[in-house]
Amino acid sequence: DVKVTQSSRYLVKRTGEKVFLECVQDMDHENMFWYRQDPGLGLRLIYFSYDVKMKEKGDIPEGYSVSREKKERFSLILESASTNQTSMYLCASTQKGGYTFGSGTRLTVV
Amino acid sequence: DQQVKQNSPSLSVQEGRISILNCDYTNSMFDYFLWYKKYPAEGPTFLISISSIKDKNEDGRFTVFLNKSAKHLSLHIVPSQPGDSAVYFCAASANTNAGKSTFGDGTTLTVKP
Repeated sequence: DVKVTQSSRYLVKRTGEKVFLECVQDMDHENMFWYRQDPGLGLRLIYFSYDVKMKEKGDIPEGYSVSREKKERFSLILESASTNQTSMYLCASTQKGGYTFGSGTRLTVV
Repeated sequence: DQQVKQNSPSLSVQEGRISILNCDYTNSMFDYFLWYKKYPAEGPTFLISISSIKDKNEDGRFTVFLNKSAKHLSLHIVPSQPGDSAVYFCAASANTNAGKSTFGDGTTLTVKP
C-alpha cells in the first residue's frame, strides 16, 4: 500500500523554537506539497516542490521554509515558531491525478 | 480572493437519500477538479476527479458533475451511508498533471441513520 508518512502526529513547541516537520513518500512521486488546515479556512498551500532541490512558494509561505534533498523526503521548517502557526499540517504527494496525503501533524505552539 | 468556494459549511441527510455537495470556482484556467474526503484526525483521501473535457464522471455511488459555463461542480452520493459522514473538500488545478491544487473550505456531511 502506497504511503505518505509524516514523522509526528502531535507536536507541542515553544514560541521561538525552530521546528522541523518531516514527510516521506514511497511512491517515487516527483511532486510534493505542504498544506495547513485551519477551521473555516480549508487547506492552504505553504510550499511545494516538483523535483529534488526545487521549491516554490504557495499561498502562505511567510514564516516557513522547505528542504527537498532527496526525492522521497520533503521537510517543512518553521524558522521561529509563533502561536499563529498552531495548526494541522498536511503533506501530500502526486505524480498525476489526485494527491496522496499523510495523516497530518497537529502542531501546537505555546 | 478565494478561487474555490464551498458555500455550505455543513449538510445533513438521511441514510439512503442523495447527498449533493456543491463547489464554485472563479479561475478560468482550472481544468481539473477533484473531491477529497476527510475523517477527523486523518489526512484527506482522494475520492473522484473530473477533467474539463467531461461534464460527468461516475464511480460507484459517487458522481461528479461539471458545469463549465457556470464554473460550478457538484458531488452526488447515492445512496448516502452513515460511513460517508466526513468533511468533503473540493479542489481545482490548472494542470492535469496535478500541479498545485487550490482547495475550498470544506463541507461537513452528516448522514443520519
